Amino acid sequence: EPEVTQTPSHQVTQMGQEVILRCVPISNHLYFYWYRQILGQKVEFLVSFYNNEISEKSEIFDDQFSVERPDGSNFTLKIRSTKLEDSAMYFCASSVWERGDQETQYFGPGTRLLVL
Amino acid sequence: RKEVEQDPGPFNVPEGATVAFNCTYSNSASQSFFWYRQDCRKEPKLLMSVYSSGNEDGRFTAQLNRASQYISLLIRDSKLSDSATYLCVLRDNFNKFYFGSGTKLNVKP
Repeated sequence: EPEVTQTPSHQVTQMGQEVILRCVPISNHLYFYWYRQILGQKVEFLVSFYNNEISEKSEIFDDQFSVERPDGSNFTLKIRSTKLEDSAMYFCASSVWERGDQETQYFGPGTRLLVL
Repeated sequence: RKEVEQDPGPFNVPEGATVAFNCTYSNSASQSFFWYRQDCRKEPKLLMSVYSSGNEDGRFTAQLNRASQYISLLIRDSKLSDSATYLCVLRDNFNKFYFGSGTKLNVKP
């Protein structure tokens, strides 16, 4: 069964450094998402991406964040100048419309980011 | 006000029990609704979409009440493997997804 993959599974970085989180969505999916989940808290929407551009973003997704689909298969989240509070699990998801009216999202296993 | 609210639980039930979770939402323009389950330190996995007419998938039944803005999930004949956190999720008309904080279920032998 096709699945969303993410690399790395864990990333430790120093405050102020830049990180790039990578995702390979399911191949025939058209919508891509990034979420984050701070330990013990709920999953929070960051950004959605469709047709090579951002379609929606949350208040969390400020100028520190950017997304890219550099080569038609990878979908990346870049976090510039990381802060301690960026420590979280970052999930990528991709989706397809099923049954004509329901969008089904499939999540990757996540990248656990720790900022020291 | 939170977009999606859930009772955090935990719900501790014996195997074979029936358990129900509710979820309320604040945005009346919400388009689609889902239940996900999340195991500890794992990614959310879609359990089922929730249709306006209500829907069933094996031991799981989901209901949507748009007038009262709540969604429910009923699990019959609970199994040990049902132990997880159940997330109520909605999508708004701008294609943004909102997750509840989840309801934790512990099924005991």
